[in-house]
Amino acid sequence: KAGVTQTPRYLIKTRGQQVTLSCSPISGHRSVSWYQQTPGQGLQFLFEYFSETQRNKGNFPGRFSGRQFSNSRSEMNVSTLELGDSALYLCASSLGTGGSGELFFGEGSRLTVL
Amino acid sequence: AQSVSQHNHHVILSEAASLELGCNYSYGGTVNLFWYVQYPGQHLQLLLKYFSGDPLVKGIKGFEAEFIKSKFSFNLRKPSVQWSDTAEYFCAVNRGGNTPLVFGKGTRLSVIA
Repeated sequence: KAGVTQTPRYLIKTRGQQVTLSCSPISGHRSVSWYQQTPGQGLQFLFEYFSETQRNKGNFPGRFSGRQFSNSRSEMNVSTLELGDSALYLCASSLGTGGSGELFFGEGSRLTVL
Repeated sequence: AQSVSQHNHHVILSEAASLELGCNYSYGGTVNLFWYVQYPGQHLQLLLKYFSGDPLVKGIKGFEAEFIKSKFSFNLRKPSVQWSDTAEYFCAVNRGGNTPLVFGKGTRLSVIA
């Protein structure tokens, strides 16, 4: 069974640009959660989608947005990039909503903002 | 807001030493508790989880954790660490249902020969 796939794995952007990250969950999983991982803050919750609906949202500015498609694939977008957005962005999928069981993580998309 | 505290930022142990990593959470109601591990260059994976029942939970690779409700704690233990246990360990908590999983900031474990 294929795991959670995130693309791209690495990317470099400059301040002010925008970026879109993609996540393909494990087949059959309907929930996708996104986290931002930085050395100082650990994993911080961005948002969770279940059956194309945003179920939960973390404490991030409106520049961070996401969506989920009917095939459960998800994208997140960050507009007007800032230096502080440099991080590893992790996607995780689960069968039910994220709080109900185990999350399966992808390897992440490492974003560097110059 | 619910928070998760991991007391140790970086722990260095010799092989065969015993391990205990602390985790405390702030939410007072019913919680689900998790420990995840991230080996160098790999994705996060679940070590063990507690939903209810026996507060002593056994996970993979010889790890166990004990839920102490009165102390709001869920400490991770292993009697004898190996070099291959070198990784970052994350405690995570949620209230079940539709609530998101909240992670601690992680503890980096370095095991030296």
